[in-house]
Amino acid sequence: EAGVTQSPTHLIKTRGQQATLRCSPISGHTSVYWYQQALGLGLQFLLWYDEGEERNRGNFPPRFSGRQFPNYSSELNVNALELEDSALYLCASSRWAGEEFFGPGTRLTVL
Amino acid sequence: GENVEQHPSTLSVQEGDSAVIKCTYSDSASNYFPWYKQELGKRPQLIIDIRSNVGEKKDQRIAVTLNKTAKHFSLHITETQPEDSAVYFCAALRTGAQKLVFGQGTRLTINP
Repeated sequence: EAGVTQSPTHLIKTRGQQATLRCSPISGHTSVYWYQQALGLGLQFLLWYDEGEERNRGNFPPRFSGRQFPNYSSELNVNALELEDSALYLCASSRWAGEEFFGPGTRLTVL
Repeated sequence: GENVEQHPSTLSVQEGDSAVIKCTYSDSASNYFPWYKQELGKRPQLIIDIRSNVGEKKDQRIAVTLNKTAKHFSLHITETQPEDSAVYFCAALRTGAQKLVFGQGTRLTINP
């Protein structure tokens, strides 16, 4: 069974630009979760998509948005990038509530 | 909503000693408690979990205990080894919810 995949691995942007991060869940998983991990410690919940709908979002400004496609893959968009957006962005998927399987992450650097 | 507090934020132990990480949760309706391990530069991975109908679960050198009355659960690692060095996250899932709530993480360092 292939795991959760994310692209790109690394992304370098400058302040004010937009970033698009992509996630492919495990086959059969309908839920996708996005997390921000700064400073290598806490997992800050960003967004949760299930069956193509946004189900919940964390305490992040509206410039963090995303969507889920009919094949359950997902995209995270960050507009008007700020220096503090530099972080590891992790995607996770699940088939049902409970165990979340994480992808390898996208390292976003904002200069 | 659910809130999960994890302590300590950093823990350093000598190789061969035991390590204990504790989490408390706020919602008494929570019934599933997984633990994730994230090695440096890698993704978080599930290492053990426990459901509310069980008080303790073991898997080789790791064990998790749950006290529903006090609303806390703990991860125990015995005979620690250098490869146990990582960040550990606890989480809780409330009955009827579909989203894990994670603790803040504990950076465990095993000193040789």
